[in-house]
Amino acid sequence: GAGVSQSPSNKVTEKGKDVELRCDPISGHTALYWYRQRLGQGLEFLIYFQGNSAPDKSGLPSDRFSAERTGESVSTLTIQRTQQEDSAVYLCASSFGLAHTDTQYFGPGTRLTVL
Amino acid sequence: GNSVTQMEGPVTLSEEAFLTINCTYTATGYPSLFWYVQYPGEGLQLLLKATKADDKGSNKGFEATYRKETTSFHLEKGSVQVSDSAVYFCALSDRKAGNNRKLIWGLGTSLAVNP
Repeated sequence: GAGVSQSPSNKVTEKGKDVELRCDPISGHTALYWYRQRLGQGLEFLIYFQGNSAPDKSGLPSDRFSAERTGESVSTLTIQRTQQEDSAVYLCASSFGLAHTDTQYFGPGTRLTVL
Repeated sequence: GNSVTQMEGPVTLSEEAFLTINCTYTATGYPSLFWYVQYPGEGLQLLLKATKADDKGSNKGFEATYRKETTSFHLEKGSVQVSDSAVYFCALSDRKAGNNRKLIWGLGTSLAVNP
């Protein structure tokens, strides 16, 4: 079946502009995660959705970052007034959300470059 | 807090050599442990996992055993192939994190296998 998809695959923007990243999870997966991977670093947790609610937003680095999920499906991550340090690959993952043993399935990522 | 430490790369091996990538963790609870792999140009995918002490995860000739006494989950393969060249990530999901099943990640270990 279809995996997790993300769009766009690449985004180049100017400092100060807003960007919106999209994630389409696997159908039936109630849990959705956003992670960020900066060059040469491990993955950094941003936010977790269970259904349409976000029990844990603790990883969002500043109030310029926000995310929403609708219909227990698509999620968007919005970064306002982008800064150069926001440049990274943004990864989305989904899972059944039933247990800590669940496998998370990852999308291909969106590579964001802020000039 | 929770953390994952992986051996630094890059690791370079000849085909058919034995591979070990070390991973140790700290966790406040009783975690599930995962190895994910990222092949060149592809997204992250689960390689194997273990959910309780002494469990052994295995896949594609790779194995890792959940060692609670040494808080380790080292990845091993008896005979690597060129096609195993990739970046390998160790991660944990802490059961005591409540409903949040976010993954805590190591920094990744790059493996290059030469023919």
